[in-house]
Amino acid sequence: QQQVKQSPQSLIVQKGGISIINCAYENTAFDYFPWYQQFPGKGPALLIAIRPDVSEKKEGRFTISFNKSAKQFSLHIMDSQPGDSATYFCAAGSSNTGKLIFGQGTTLQVKP
Amino acid sequence: ETGVTQSPTHLIKTRGQQVTLRCSSQSGHNTVSWYQQALGQGPQFIFQYYREEENGRGNFPPRFSGLQFPNYSSELNVNALELDDSALYLCASSLEGGTQETQYFGPGTRLLVL
Repeated sequence: QQQVKQSPQSLIVQKGGISIINCAYENTAFDYFPWYQQFPGKGPALLIAIRPDVSEKKEGRFTISFNKSAKQFSLHIMDSQPGDSATYFCAAGSSNTGKLIFGQGTTLQVKP
Repeated sequence: ETGVTQSPTHLIKTRGQQVTLRCSSQSGHNTVSWYQQALGQGPQFIFQYYREEENGRGNFPPRFSGLQFPNYSSELNVNALELDDSALYLCASSLEGGTQETQYFGPGTRLLVL
């Protein structure tokens, strides 16, 4: 019940294309869903986050879509750039605990 | 404003030894969370400290312990090291306990247990 399942494991996209990464969760107590970007040798950095009272949130080229009934959420990266090549993690947490549950990660490669 | 810093950056230990990892939280943050990230995996929550008290713990044995100091910096101690403890250890700071506030991660400490 504590798992967050992320797919795909790896993704190759051409420059200018759309990258889509999906996550699914089971625990309905989760009420905070962030996405993190991690470059090799660095810690994860927050990209964008959503709470279940909205179905979509957009920040620049990054959009989270959230489907509460399906318990799924996804990250869309529009106009993908080679600099976006990194590992992306979805996560889920609940307001009454301190912990985030992370997905397994998706390695994105954007080809020039 | 300084970000989250961790020390050391890399560490090599042998099985059975003990290790202490350190984290300085971002300025103004009173909450520190520790995560273990095995190679090719997502971070796994170890525990969180809020105002010097443990505020939640993940599925890690008691040989993983922590401290938070009055200046909100923190230590992660691991006793009786095992080979499987080899991982990147991340700390993250946030303004308050719980997940309502963004967690900002440090660069991590890479631990290798031989």
